[in-house]
Amino acid sequence: EPEVTQTPSHQVTQMGQEVILRCVPISNHLYFYWYRQILGQKVEFLVSFYNNEISEKSEIFDDQFSVERPDGSNFTLKIRSTKLEDSAMYFCASSEARSSGRTDTQYFGPGTRLTVL
Amino acid sequence: QKEVEQNSGPLSVPEGAIASLNCTYSDRVSQSFFWYRQYSGKSPELIMSIYSNGDKEDGRFTAQLNKASQYVSLLIRDSQPSDSATYLCALRGTDSWGKLQFGAGTQVVVTP
Repeated sequence: EPEVTQTPSHQVTQMGQEVILRCVPISNHLYFYWYRQILGQKVEFLVSFYNNEISEKSEIFDDQFSVERPDGSNFTLKIRSTKLEDSAMYFCASSEARSSGRTDTQYFGPGTRLTVL
Repeated sequence: QKEVEQNSGPLSVPEGAIASLNCTYSDRVSQSFFWYRQYSGKSPELIMSIYSNGDKEDGRFTAQLNKASQYVSLLIRDSQPSDSATYLCALRGTDSWGKLQFGAGTQVVVTP
């Protein structure tokens, strides 16, 4: 069964440092997403990405965040200058398409736990 | 603000019984609806997707969608201790490039 993978599983960083979270989506999927979940809270949408550009982003996804697909397999989330409130679990997800039907189902990776000290 | 509402629980269910979870939403034009299961510290795992009004069954799980009343529910039959988890309701609207909006989840505890 194909699956989304993420690295690292846990990242600890100092406030103000840059972090890059990495994801390998399912190989035939075309739509990629980042979500985050602060401990004890809802899963929140950050950004969706298609055809090498951002297709939608939330208010959380400010200028400190960026996404990139540097090659044919990886999808990355960069946080330029981390804040304490960025501490959360970050999930990558992918789907074949975005329209209704089986193909818009999003499959989640195992997550990266980001701790900002 | 488009909302997805779920009872937080915990919903305590005896082993072998039926667990009934509900989710209401405010965005009338939502198109795709999903139930995910999330174990503590883990990622959401898809259980069911549903797109049309009515029932959809998959093994011990049945999803029910009523767009007129703006609710979607999940039934878990023959509940097992391994079903103890938080169940997340999620939906995608027609104006969305795939963005899922999640509820806060209902914690289910299956007691032996």
